[in-house]
Amino acid sequence: GAVVSQHPSWVICKSGTSVKIECRSLDFQATTMFWYRQFPKQSLMLMATSNEGSKATYEQGVEKDKFLINHASLTLSTLTVTSAHPEDSSFYICSARTDWVGNEQFFGPGTRLTVL
Amino acid sequence: SQQGEEDPQALSIQEGENATMNCSYKTSINNLQWYRQNSGRGLVHLILIRSNEREKHSGRLRVTLDTSKKSSSLLITASRAADTASYFCATHMKTSYDKVIFGPGTSLSVIP
Repeated sequence: GAVVSQHPSWVICKSGTSVKIECRSLDFQATTMFWYRQFPKQSLMLMATSNEGSKATYEQGVEKDKFLINHASLTLSTLTVTSAHPEDSSFYICSARTDWVGNEQFFGPGTRLTVL
Repeated sequence: SQQGEEDPQALSIQEGENATMNCSYKTSINNLQWYRQNSGRGLVHLILIRSNEREKHSGRLRVTLDTSKKSSSLLITASRAADTASYFCATHMKTSYDKVIFGPGTSLSVIP
């Protein structure tokens, strides 16, 4: 089946630093990638949708200057949390989709970010 | 944003019993998917049901979809302790942005 990886799986950083999270589709080309955030005991909240080679579409309330998304190729999307603060601590999950598998999304294992 | 609701929010049953979770949504969809998530872990895809389908089975799982009522249900038969997890429905919305939105989830506890 289609596999999506994320790196790193967990990261701890100091407040004010920037953190980059990578999302890769390993065995298929992802026309669209999604980034979600999940707080403890809550559901996944869609942050943004990105298509290869174009700007990401952010959900209402998500700061595009704080959460920079780059979908540079059909197999890689990155999320950079700029000037991270403790309230940005969360579980970040990406997913990738390609139309020829019937619109099923394939999820990465997630990245746990802790900002001290 | 979330477009759906799930009920119940929490469900506790004895091993061997059946568990039913419901999901409702607001806008037209292309498909609906159910996922499982163990505490602190990633998502596991369970079933995808398309808008022109009414029922799908996968092992002990049965999913129904009623587009007229904008609702879906997930039935887990003969539950096991290992089924303890959070279950989410996710709807693939028919919008120009073509996005998938998750419901709030049902926390299932199966007591041995």
